[in-house]
Amino acid sequence: DQQVKQNSPSLSVQEGRISILNCDYTNSMFDYFLWYKKYPAEGPTFLISISSIKDKNEDGRFTVFLNKSAKHLSLHIVPSQPGDSAVYFCAASDPSNNNDMRFGAGTRLTVKP
Amino acid sequence: KAGVTQTPRYLIKTRGQQVTLSCSPISGHRSVSWYQQTPGQGLQFLFEYFSETQRNKGNFPGRFSGRQFSNSRSEMNVSTLELGDSALYLCASSSRGQTKGEQFFGPGTRLTVL
Repeated sequence: DQQVKQNSPSLSVQEGRISILNCDYTNSMFDYFLWYKKYPAEGPTFLISISSIKDKNEDGRFTVFLNKSAKHLSLHIVPSQPGDSAVYFCAASDPSNNNDMRFGAGTRLTVKP
Repeated sequence: KAGVTQTPRYLIKTRGQQVTLSCSPISGHRSVSWYQQTPGQGLQFLFEYFSETQRNKGNFPGRFSGRQFSNSRSEMNVSTLELGDSALYLCASSSRGQTKGEQFFGPGTRLTVL
């Protein structure tokens, strides 16, 4: 069962524009959400997170928005840079299950110069 | 601190064989999780070990097993390999016990089953 879904397998944006990556989840017990970035031949690296008690968390060019009622979160990157080109995974943690972490399928972001 | 290390980085096996992958977590991290990454499927959770005990398990057949040692190093074993087991296997460590925290991933082991 895919509890965390990233319905867009790929996204292409122009350098300097905003990138918006989306993620939906089905498990209402999730209370902590994370975004990871993965370059080829490397493991995913943590990017930004948000607790369910918040609806927004910002770190430099990266902002994560959480809409609990819609069970939806998004990652905004502005301005986008070519070095941001990577696969982005969203993940969610379930405190009712030992903080079990579930990942989406990933979205491949390509930022064109 | 040294990062998460995984050995070997690449592995080629044939159907029916078995394989053991190794993961050394970041020093001090007691939680180790294993994931399988295949194109289009993202990261599929295999299992998590904490203090030598399996704490969570994903929906994989019994051919997939693991263990954790007292020094937190972990191994994952796949028996009777199938072509569909070809994937990138990622290990992640975390300092979290019952608290939340990001996971730190190793570079992965690329397994090819012929």
